[in-house]
Amino acid sequence: GIQVEQSPPDLILQEGANSTLRCNFSDSVNNLQWFHQNPWGQLINLFYIPSGTKQNGRLSATTVATERYSLLYISSSQTTDSGVYFCAVEQFSGNTGKLIFGQGTTLQVKP
Amino acid sequence: EPEVTQTPSHQVTQMGQEVILRCVPISNHLYFYWYRQILGQKVEFLVSFYNNEISEKSEIFDDQFSVERPDGSNFTLKIRSTKLEDSAMYFCASSGDGSVSYTFGSGTRLTVV
Repeated sequence: GIQVEQSPPDLILQEGANSTLRCNFSDSVNNLQWFHQNPWGQLINLFYIPSGTKQNGRLSATTVATERYSLLYISSSQTTDSGVYFCAVEQFSGNTGKLIFGQGTTLQVKP
Repeated sequence: EPEVTQTPSHQVTQMGQEVILRCVPISNHLYFYWYRQILGQKVEFLVSFYNNEISEKSEIFDDQFSVERPDGSNFTLKIRSTKLEDSAMYFCASSGDGSVSYTFGSGTRLTVV
């Protein structure tokens, strides 16, 4: 099956700093999503981005499908950005798909 | 924005008991899923459900587990004879037709004691 690898595994930032999280995947995909898991365990959908670039406030994401990677940019980080960031790609089996998650990047933003 | 709703948010159960986790997917979605996340680990696929039957299940989803869509709105995961290692966060998700975004519920944290 498809492999999803995220880097770095852990990241510590000072508030206000910028960061880039990376997601590599081993096969072509039709769907890629970035999630933020908050301290309460909820998975918050950040981007649905199978290709191209999207921006939402201080966050932006770029997926280069032909090179099988996606990047999540966090600018001017805040303590509320802390948590685990997951990349997930869709793998099809027959007519139905499922999301395959990476191991996540744990981000800690210090005040 | 439409949401996937899960109940309960927390459940504590005795080892060997049966639990039912409940989900209300987004109303016009066609595909439904259960995922599991053991503390500190990644989110793992359990099962997908389409057209009132299981589409795919992982090797984790053995005879201890079952899913049901008892009516037009609810989607349930039943875990029989719970074990300590079933303690995890269980997420329900749904998606529409075609390759579109998956929406996840807030999860049910299951603790088996």
